[in-house]
Amino acid sequence: QKEVEQNSGPLSVPEGAIASLNCTYSDRGSQSFFWYRQYSGKSPELIMSIYSNGDKEDGRFTAQLNKASQYVSLLIRDSQPSDSATYLCAVAPRGGFKTIFGAGTRLFVKA
Amino acid sequence: NAGVTQTPKFQVLKTGQSMTLQCAQDMNHNSMYWYRQDPGMGLRLIYYSASEGTTDKGEVPNGYNVSRLNKREFSLRLESAAPSQTSVYFCASSGRGLAGLGPTDTQYFGPGTRLTVL
Repeated sequence: QKEVEQNSGPLSVPEGAIASLNCTYSDRGSQSFFWYRQYSGKSPELIMSIYSNGDKEDGRFTAQLNKASQYVSLLIRDSQPSDSATYLCAVAPRGGFKTIFGAGTRLFVKA
Repeated sequence: NAGVTQTPKFQVLKTGQSMTLQCAQDMNHNSMYWYRQDPGMGLRLIYYSASEGTTDKGEVPNGYNVSRLNKREFSLRLESAAPSQTSVYFCASSGRGLAGLGPTDTQYFGPGTRLTVL
């Protein structure tokens, strides 16, 4: 059974702090890694995708991938109350369509 | 552009009833997907269509059928609804075709259908 594991939270951080979200996956053949944000009652929207080991930065967001450790993380700098949402980690295999989603981590940013 | 649209937004069924969830995208995407989302379990892939004319099972296909009507539309049918199918259903689409997901590919999700089976 291919799995993607996330801490369900909630993770609570003060406004302006760095929020660190983590994800591990079981399939070593995974090639594509995604972070989605989902507000309550809404559909998921992509924040970041990463395909190579290392860091990828986009504005206040940094995704980190370590394939040897089967670990992917998302850092949110200068966290804002509007970042309060559930963050879903998703993993897709090489050449495949069967994306596996984690259950998500709930993030609360306190003003 | 409307992106990905789904109908209906809400539905209540009785056990044994059938229904079809409709999904359409106007982004000229090749691939379309159906997911269900249950509390504490994240999104699970029911069926996907890599390109027009093809459909394949995902992680939880039992009790469902799909039809890729054309490049724009992908429907999900429940032939005999069961309480275990109470969930939120999301349709998604992505641009990449038979080569699968890869760099710059993104799945765009519809607003969801909230289905309750009594």
